[in-house]
Amino acid sequence: QVQLVQSGAEVKKPGASVKVSCKASGYSFTTFDIHWVRQATGQGLEWMGWMNPNSGHTGHAQRFQGRLTMTRNTSMTTAYMELSSLRSDDTAVYYCTCRYATGAIAWGQGTLVTVS
Amino acid sequence: EIVMTQSPDSLAVSLGEKATINCRSSQNVLYSSNNKNYIVWYQQKPGQPPKLLFYWASTRESGVPDRFSGSGSGTDFTLTISSLQAEDVAVYYCQQHYITPWTFGQGTQVEIK
Repeated sequence: QVQLVQSGAEVKKPGASVKVSCKASGYSFTTFDIHWVRQATGQGLEWMGWMNPNSGHTGHAQRFQGRLTMTRNTSMTTAYMELSSLRSDDTAVYYCTCRYATGAIAWGQGTLVTVS
Repeated sequence: EIVMTQSPDSLAVSLGEKATINCRSSQNVLYSSNNKNYIVWYQQKPGQPPKLLFYWASTRESGVPDRFSGSGSGTDFTLTISSLQAEDVAVYYCQQHYITPWTFGQGTQVEIK
């Protein structure tokens, strides 16, 4: 079945960048878009952006303009999310997600990014 | 952007009783070409990622107990737990994936009365 496995927790200084990986398995990686969602502690879910793994085309929420980069390595079936110019309010759990053919949405286990 | 509004923000229900969560979208999320509502429901427990309960508003994900049901179309949707169990204590979210940005309801905390 569709499985998304993310990289481990990160601690970063303000102003630094973080890069989170998301390895996909159980389906053809280039078939379905990868979306990134984050959740600050005790808060709701916030959509960040999406990437088409086939073309590399991306789209993102306006608030991340200029700070969010999404890439992929198709041979490794892995998607990457890089967030730059980190601030304390970027401290959150970051998730990769994928809507697949049935209409269901799979989630990675999450990656805690702490900015301090 | 489609705004998703859940009600209530929290509810306390006795064990074995029914819990009902409502979700309203600011725009229609029914895609006419396939007659599907682009709504999913999640359950989230502390320290865990959201767990998919329903997609297409009412299609139950494999393994989800049948005391859970999803309904609605267009702009109004409902998640019902017919007989609340202790393990159902969690935060529940609706989400639209009709258009980007994907947007989520603010969440509903379900507790035992």
